Amino acid sequence: GESVGLHLPTLSVQEGDNSIINCAYSNSASDYFIWYKQESGKGPQFIIDIRSNMDKRQGQRVTVLLNKTVKHLSLQIAATQPGDSAVYFCAENNAGNMLTFGGGTRLMVKP
Amino acid sequence: DTGVSQDPRHKITKRGQNVTFRCDPISEHNRLYWYRQTLGQGPEFLTYFQNEAQLEKSRLLSDRFSAERPKGSFSTLEIQRTEQGDSAMYLCASSLGLAGVSSETQYFGPGTRLLVL
Repeated sequence: GESVGLHLPTLSVQEGDNSIINCAYSNSASDYFIWYKQESGKGPQFIIDIRSNMDKRQGQRVTVLLNKTVKHLSLQIAATQPGDSAVYFCAENNAGNMLTFGGGTRLMVKP
Repeated sequence: DTGVSQDPRHKITKRGQNVTFRCDPISEHNRLYWYRQTLGQGPEFLTYFQNEAQLEKSRLLSDRFSAERPKGSFSTLEIQRTEQGDSAMYLCASSLGLAGVSSETQYFGPGTRLLVL
């Protein structure tokens, strides 16, 4: 069936460096994409979203890029901090209102 | 705190027992969702309410699972005759659905972690 997946299960970066987390999706009908951050023992926390009529959106220290041609989504975190250490999920939402999540990427920030 | 709340946060039960979880969405959010998450995986959709109406149910929602949202505010998820395979984190999310907008942000609660012995 349709699915959302991630290329790298674990990403380790040095504090202060930029991080890039990638995600591939397969449902071309999806019109809305969300990145969530999940810390141990907590629920997913909304980071940033993007609709399919856009290819880039920026937030505070985060940028999401959407490439519909190759069905690819990425999350860029600038000046990564220890508090950014968590598991990051991309999720897609089509007209059914349910989110389809990928398996997650663990981001580890080294001090 | 005006976010999504869930109760209890943890539940340990014996196989065969019934359990019930509660979710209080963000005030005035008309849509409410239940997801299940197992260790190392992303959340999987279970069911969705718009106000008090249950509009979608996943094939994951077996007949042992039932969800309600009687007054369009809080929701309960009941699992009857629990099995060890039901052990997971049960997440609730809510959103404000607007006419003419196809999708909107879902905000998650802290989850209820269930362990079936």
